[in-house]
Amino acid sequence: SQKIEQNSEALNIQEGKTATLTCNYTNYSPAYLQWYRQDPGRGPVFLLLIRENEKEKRKERLKVTFDTTLKQSLFHITASQPADSATYLCARPMDSNYQLIWGAGTKLIIKP
Amino acid sequence: EADIYQTPRYLVIGTGKKITLECSQTMGHDKMYWYQQDPGMELHLIHYSYGVNSTEKGDLSSESTVSRIRTEHFPLTLESARPSHTSQYLCASLSSGANVLTFGAGSRLTVL
Repeated sequence: SQKIEQNSEALNIQEGKTATLTCNYTNYSPAYLQWYRQDPGRGPVFLLLIRENEKEKRKERLKVTFDTTLKQSLFHITASQPADSATYLCARPMDSNYQLIWGAGTKLIIKP
Repeated sequence: EADIYQTPRYLVIGTGKKITLECSQTMGHDKMYWYQQDPGMELHLIHYSYGVNSTEKGDLSSESTVSRIRTEHFPLTLESARPSHTSQYLCASLSSGANVLTFGAGSRLTVL
């Protein structure tokens, strides 16, 4: 079955450094992967979508990569700030394109 | 800012009570979803709707029911709440032609 795996351990990063989060998927490569941010007690907020034929996608300080050989997506936040502290979720579409399979998320803590 | 609203945000009730979690969106999206999320865990789809008068159960077995009488409204009902229903319930919507979910802020349910 299709799965999304994210590092369950919290990631502690010093302010100003680059944070890198990993998302691994199983089975065939999805048409796209999505990254969301979730703050405590809130719903996820969409950040970036990267398609299978895109190697890299950027949005301001965010960068996402998609490696179909490694079956992996990396999510980078450059010049990290304490306000970037949150849980980051990775998701892929199911066979039905209107539903997603979610990872459990990685909690990112940016220390001043 | 998300245009999808969930009420109540927090609810503490006793076992056996009937509850309805409200979800409304003003974006005219035809596809709507209910997810259940426990702390540190992935989102699990419990119900979805692809349009008015269309509802389906998701992957996670749930004793709740939903209705979709109007495009903008997708309430979730528990006829008899139990402590095992204690969780965070997230409502989301998806516009036709897009692959990105917009989430509400969530309803945190505690059943004593």
